[in-house]
Amino acid sequence: EIVLTQSPGTLSLSPGERVTLSCRASQSVKNYLVWYQQKPGQTPRLLIYDASNRATGIPDRFSGSGSGTDFTLTISRLEPEDFAVYYCQQYGSSPYTFGQGTKLEIK
Amino acid sequence: EVQLVESGGGLVQPGGSLRLSCAASGFSLKNYWMHWVRQGPGKGLVWLSRINIDGSTTSYADSVKGRFTISRDNAKNTVYLQMNSLRDEDTAVYYCARGGPDAYWGQGTLVTVSS
Repeated sequence: EIVLTQSPGTLSLSPGERVTLSCRASQSVKNYLVWYQQKPGQTPRLLIYDASNRATGIPDRFSGSGSGTDFTLTISRLEPEDFAVYYCQQYGSSPYTFGQGTKLEIK
Repeated sequence: EVQLVESGGGLVQPGGSLRLSCAASGFSLKNYWMHWVRQGPGKGLVWLSRINIDGSTTSYADSVKGRFTISRDNAKNTVYLQMNSLRDEDTAVYYCARGGPDAYWGQGTLVTVSS
């Protein structure tokens, strides 16, 4: 089973700041990685697929990069609605594991 | 409008069974791989199972292998998750999700395993 490790666990930032979230895989998943955003009481929302492609309707302040074992999600300028939990998930190899999540909170 | 509506959750005793359903509308289920994912109270997302477009291949997380079975009925636009030998640690909200770059999740159904 491929283990995804997200870092940091929690980030405290202010609106307007730039943030980079990390997701590291225990073995290569090529570019078969997605990023989700989840707000309290809501279902996850797909942000990025195939490591670097924005899903439909996702603002261009969100960007993904990486391949193999190291991936990042960057939010270029935080908006108030971006404070949430972010998960990466790999679909390179079954079971299609999730990372443990990074919580982005308002400072 | 695309919708996925899960049903079948509820309270069940340890060792019991439940069958979850996920009804799709606004799109044709037969074009998509489908997944089940769960989220325990205050916890992260856990992928459980997936089924390909015609139901010929499935895969499972180790934690549910041999206890849970995913299936689909494309004519009814519905995916199922049969859950047997339920344990306390299976308590969670269960989501069905459409795979692919236009991924979409249902609102989830709560399963509580408790005596």
